[in-house]
Amino acid sequence: ETGVTQSPTHLIKTRGQQVTLRCSSQSGHNTVSWYQQALGQGPQFIFQYYREEENGRGNFPPRFSGLQFPNYSSELNVNALELDDSALYLCASSLDRRAGYGYTFGSGTRLTVV
Amino acid sequence: GIQVEQSPPDLILQEGANSTLRCNFSDSVNNLQWFHQNPWGQLINLFYIPSGTKQNGRLSATTVATERYSLLYISSSQTTDSGVYFCAVVPDQGAQKLVFGQGTRLTINP
Repeated sequence: ETGVTQSPTHLIKTRGQQVTLRCSSQSGHNTVSWYQQALGQGPQFIFQYYREEENGRGNFPPRFSGLQFPNYSSELNVNALELDDSALYLCASSLDRRAGYGYTFGSGTRLTVV
Repeated sequence: GIQVEQSPPDLILQEGANSTLRCNFSDSVNNLQWFHQNPWGQLINLFYIPSGTKQNGRLSATTVATERYSLLYISSSQTTDSGVYFCAVVPDQGAQKLVFGQGTRLTINP
């Protein structure tokens, strides 16, 4: 079985630009959760998607949006990038909607906003 | 919201030493997990332990839910144990999400 794959691994964007990050779920998993990890901090929950619907959201502004596709892969979109958006973005897939249960994390996308 | 505090923030040990990492949380939880973040950024689940004690090889964990803390023990440390260890909880009340502590950075020197 394949794990969780995130792309790209690294990305540099300019303030004000838009970015799309991608996550391929582990085979058979129908739930994807996204987390933002600033340097030296623990990950923070952005949102979760279950069967293509948003199923919970953390304290992030609307310029953070997402999609989940019929094959359960997912995208995280961030508009109007700010310097503070620089972080490691992690996704986790699971078969269970309950937070944390059976999570498989990817290695993340490191976004740098300049 | 719930607060999760981990201590110590940094720990430097020689290979072969034992270590204890602590996680305090401010409210009741229905899920507590320990993760190890490897050098490539991936979070690897070590234990799902909302209460009680579990052991897996050189690692063990204990959660005392009534006193709102959890401990992760690493015995006979190896250099491959280096990395950041996170405690994460799901609160009983409120949004269903993993809330992470700030982590403990463990460095094992040969």
